[in-house]
Amino acid sequence: NAGVTQTPKFRVLKTGQSMTLLCAQDMNHEYMYWYRQDPGMGLRLIHYSVGEGTTAKGEVPDGYNVSRLKKQNFLLGLESAAPSQTSVYFCASRPGRFERNQPQHFGDGTRLSIL
Amino acid sequence: KQEVTQIPAALSVPEGENLVLNCSFTDSAIYNLQWFRQDPGKGLTSLLLIQSSQREQTSGRLNASLDKSSGRSTLYIAASQPGDSATYLCAVMGAGKSTFGDGTTLTVKP
Repeated sequence: NAGVTQTPKFRVLKTGQSMTLLCAQDMNHEYMYWYRQDPGMGLRLIHYSVGEGTTAKGEVPDGYNVSRLKKQNFLLGLESAAPSQTSVYFCASRPGRFERNQPQHFGDGTRLSIL
Repeated sequence: KQEVTQIPAALSVPEGENLVLNCSFTDSAIYNLQWFRQDPGKGLTSLLLIQSSQREQTSGRLNASLDKSSGRSTLYIAASQPGDSATYLCAVMGAGKSTFGDGTTLTVKP
């Protein structure tokens, strides 16, 4: 049971570099989410998707872009990394709106450092 | 905008004690509330989910309650053990997305 898989698990970037974080889920979930977690600030929603081909902004979307070309994958992109984007990034998924009382499932996180 | 607050931010108890973690939210128009556990350097593990129409859910030594009208939920842990040491987060689910509290870090001392 893979669940939600995030790659990579760790990454160090230099300011200005770009990269893409991949989230894959094998539960046929409609909804997918990207969060960032910083010390003392809980989880903050970056972007989310309610289905293949759709994306929406969350609480802290600036500096990030996302794509949901396939139902099972949700990509988070940093076009020009900044030190303020040093964080732990979590992906989550859950079934669609007709199963709204099913829990979210989380990946193990990607630890990203921007120097 | 939904806001979720968890009190206390940190809690230290001796092994065997019963304890209560609190979660409050500002907008009662929620679908459900979910409690998670997070160990250091790890992801989030779902503990309990309470639907908006429910009052409580139980799993083993854990019991979560929900009072939607007052915007409050509690997580009760019975007979705490050192293995319960972790950060506990609550999340309220609204239309399409969740809002998380900052968590309560629990330390259970042997």
